[in-house]
Amino acid sequence: DTEVTQTPKHLVMGMTNKKSLKCEQHMGHRAMYWYKQKAKKPPELMFVYSYEKLSINESVPSRFSPECPNSSLLNLHLHALQPEDSALYLCASSQGGDNGYTFGSGTRLTVV
Amino acid sequence: GENVEQHPSTLSVQEGDSAVIKCTYSDSASNYFPWYKQELGKRPQLIIDIRSNVGEKKDQRIAVTLNKTAKHFSLHITETQPEDSAVYFCAASNAGNQFYFGTGTSLTVIP
Repeated sequence: DTEVTQTPKHLVMGMTNKKSLKCEQHMGHRAMYWYKQKAKKPPELMFVYSYEKLSINESVPSRFSPECPNSSLLNLHLHALQPEDSALYLCASSQGGDNGYTFGSGTRLTVV
Repeated sequence: GENVEQHPSTLSVQEGDSAVIKCTYSDSASNYFPWYKQELGKRPQLIIDIRSNVGEKKDQRIAVTLNKTAKHFSLHITETQPEDSAVYFCAASNAGNQFYFGTGTSLTVIP
């Protein structure tokens, strides 16, 4: 399995809702990432997990809460989001070091 | 931290011509440089990468060159085809867990 699977593919949520994005990989990659991408912009790093521990938090607002239940799964819990948080949320995994990322297909999030 | 600059931001070429995208980086410790292609509405996909101990790498119509002294690396696409139209991102990594992306180049190949 060489895929990173993200669910759901599309999500519309109100500003008072709580929702979660899910990411799964079975490549044995030790690092997993959450990125946010706005249209025609590069991916912006949000969080990095290495060996299931949070290693990087790029000053992301607390309304975004990551969780890594095990080495194959990565969640992003969303609460009280703002319309400007609407974007494509990409999960990625990597063996680390000088190895490329494998990106998931993303969740297109719209906050209304 | 690392700063990756990418040029041009948009590029239009005639089908069959070559396309070149250039990136510069600031951190001399960076040693891994991947290139990603992102088609509209799809995920970024790794198309080629180069490590700091190599000066050039080629894969069919795609090649990447690296000049460590000048801290720049380039993507070369030869014999371009309409399906090469996409946004291309360069990135740099210092063997840590973090990649730094360039700002992207929107390539249009005109049939």
